[in-house]
Amino acid sequence: EAGVTQFPSHSVIEKGQTVTLRCDPISGHDNLYWYRRVMGKEIKFLLHFVKESKQDESGMPNNRFLAERTGGTYSTLKVQPAELEDSGVYFCASSPRVGSTDTQYFGPGTRLTVL
Amino acid sequence: GDSVTQMEGPVTLSEEAFLTINCTYTATGYPSLFWYVQYPGEGLQLLLKATKADDKGSNKGFEATYRKETTSFHLEKGSVQVSDSAVYFCALSRRDSSYKLIFGSGTRLLVRP
Repeated sequence: EAGVTQFPSHSVIEKGQTVTLRCDPISGHDNLYWYRRVMGKEIKFLLHFVKESKQDESGMPNNRFLAERTGGTYSTLKVQPAELEDSGVYFCASSPRVGSTDTQYFGPGTRLTVL
Repeated sequence: GDSVTQMEGPVTLSEEAFLTINCTYTATGYPSLFWYVQYPGEGLQLLLKATKADDKGSNKGFEATYRKETTSFHLEKGSVQVSDSAVYFCALSRRDSSYKLIFGSGTRLLVRP
């Protein structure tokens, strides 16, 4: 069974540009989470999808970030326009059942560098 | 709000030494507690978890006990190996907070031969 995959693994862009990160969860997993780790600090929650619906987006830093999960499968996280402070590692995680403490399986992350 | 505090790293040990990484938490209700590990060049992996007070999670020789009275979930291993070198993250989640993980800042462990 394939794990959580993320694309790209690295992205280097200039301030003001747009970047789209993609996450493919484990097949059949209803829950999809986005997190990010900025400059060696703690990993912070961004948002949570249940299937195609946003369940909790309390961690999204501002309206430059837009997340979607079309059809309840893969998810994208778009940053537009990117700022220097958006640099960090963006992780995606998925878990199977809604409303449980099932293990969240993490992808390898996308390292975003904004110059 | 909920938070997790874990000891600053890096922690440097010789092979076969005893390991303790401290973790304390602040949360309302009854959170579930986790230790995740990130090996060099890899993603986060669940190491162990405990879902209620006095539960002990264990895996690969690592153990942690959910202590509600001290709000702690310290990670221990009796004899570390070079292959245990990684970054260790303590985390919690709560049912009424969409089960999102709240992480500590991570502790880097370096084990020398």
